Amino acid sequence: DSGVTQTPKHLITATGQRVTLRCSPRSGDLSVYWYQQSLDQGLQFLIQYYNGEERAKGNILERFSAQQFPDLHSELNLSSLELGDSALYFCASSVELRGSGNTIYFGEGSWLTVV
Amino acid sequence: TQLLEQSPQFLSIQEGENLTVYCNSSSVFSSLQWYRQEPGEGPVLLVTVVTGGEVKKLKRLTFQFGDARKDSSLHITAAQPGDTGLYLCAGVNYGQNFVFGPGTRLSVLP
Repeated sequence: DSGVTQTPKHLITATGQRVTLRCSPRSGDLSVYWYQQSLDQGLQFLIQYYNGEERAKGNILERFSAQQFPDLHSELNLSSLELGDSALYFCASSVELRGSGNTIYFGEGSWLTVV
Repeated sequence: TQLLEQSPQFLSIQEGENLTVYCNSSSVFSSLQWYRQEPGEGPVLLVTVVTGGEVKKLKRLTFQFGDARKDSSLHITAAQPGDTGLYLCAGVNYGQNFVFGPGTRLSVLP
């Protein structure tokens, strides 16, 4: 158990819909990362937050957005869903923003299926 | 854009065999991490290597960071079915962004 909690674990929704994925980081971790993993694309970095502020952006679509709340939990919002958005979405957290050897811990993922 | 390549992409071996997987980049990283991911689960950190030339051992797994901090290898001795999984390397750059490789999918047959 990494200490990172993600909900829901599985989600099936129709094209055009909107879903919210939730992540609680490990206790004490200030950084939260979101990743998308699909069979053909591997693990793709979406976005990172540190202590409530956006810190880095990766290959995140404009239809997707995220935020980190004062209690440090984070949500990833996916809208106007398309079949190609079906994937495993991982949240990860780490304790510090900088420093050599920084380690990130992954949750078990939210499996999204768009039909 | 920093990219990490991993080879081989797929590897299927018999129990008891040895294997080495590689992680290569043209970029320099402040550290490099190896993760193992099993189906339906998130990646789990195996090791972090920080110093160029560093070698770390974790039971039957040996990790090496290249002298130039651009590449790494993972050697498994006497592989077991429990080693089956997706092995991911992740480079950490000096801005603390994590770059993941595409992974090596290992299958160890009993």
